[in-house]
Amino acid sequence: DQQVKQNSPSLSVQEGRISILNCDYTNSMFDYFLWYKKYPAEGPTFLISISSIKDKNEDGRFTVFLNKSAKHLSLHIVPSQPGDSAVYFCAARVSNTGNQFYFGTGTSLTVIP
Amino acid sequence: DVKVTQSSRYLVKRTGEKVFLECVQDMDHENMFWYRQDPGLGLRLIYFSYDVKMKEKGDIPEGYSVSREKKERFSLILESASTNQTSMYLCASSSHLLGGYTFGSGTRLTVV
Repeated sequence: DQQVKQNSPSLSVQEGRISILNCDYTNSMFDYFLWYKKYPAEGPTFLISISSIKDKNEDGRFTVFLNKSAKHLSLHIVPSQPGDSAVYFCAARVSNTGNQFYFGTGTSLTVIP
Repeated sequence: DVKVTQSSRYLVKRTGEKVFLECVQDMDHENMFWYRQDPGLGLRLIYFSYDVKMKEKGDIPEGYSVSREKKERFSLILESASTNQTSMYLCASSSHLLGGYTFGSGTRLTVV
């Protein structure tokens, strides 16, 4: 059973506009969340994280929002750039049960110049 | 620069062959993981290890085994490769204390 879900397989956005990538989870015990970015033929690279004690974390053009009551996570990229075109995975874990992360199925973002 | 290195970027093997995928990390991480990535299915955990000589099954261990004889090396073994094991294989490592994985560049395995 998929505990972390990304219901949009793909997203297209114009350069300069906002990209919003969404992620839902089912396990209310998850307390640490990550976003990874993956280019073709490369391994995923860490983008941004958020702990359940926060509802927002910002790093430059990237902001992650956490809504614990809705079990929903979103990644905002502003402004979007063509180099942001990649597959984005969200991941979640329950910290006191080890370091295993559960990954979503990914959203392929295309930023159109 | 810290690294997770996977020995092969691309590999083509025949059905029934025994296949070894090697992963080495230089960060002294306790945890190591093997995932496969398939379109529409995301990253699925095959096996992981929290310590030397220790292994745990992930979500899809069937047809695979692993070996961790040294802390820095985690090997994935396909005992008898089949076409449905054609995939991108990703190795990752992490520290017990710090969040997040560091991934290798992946091995694209094709079984013919």
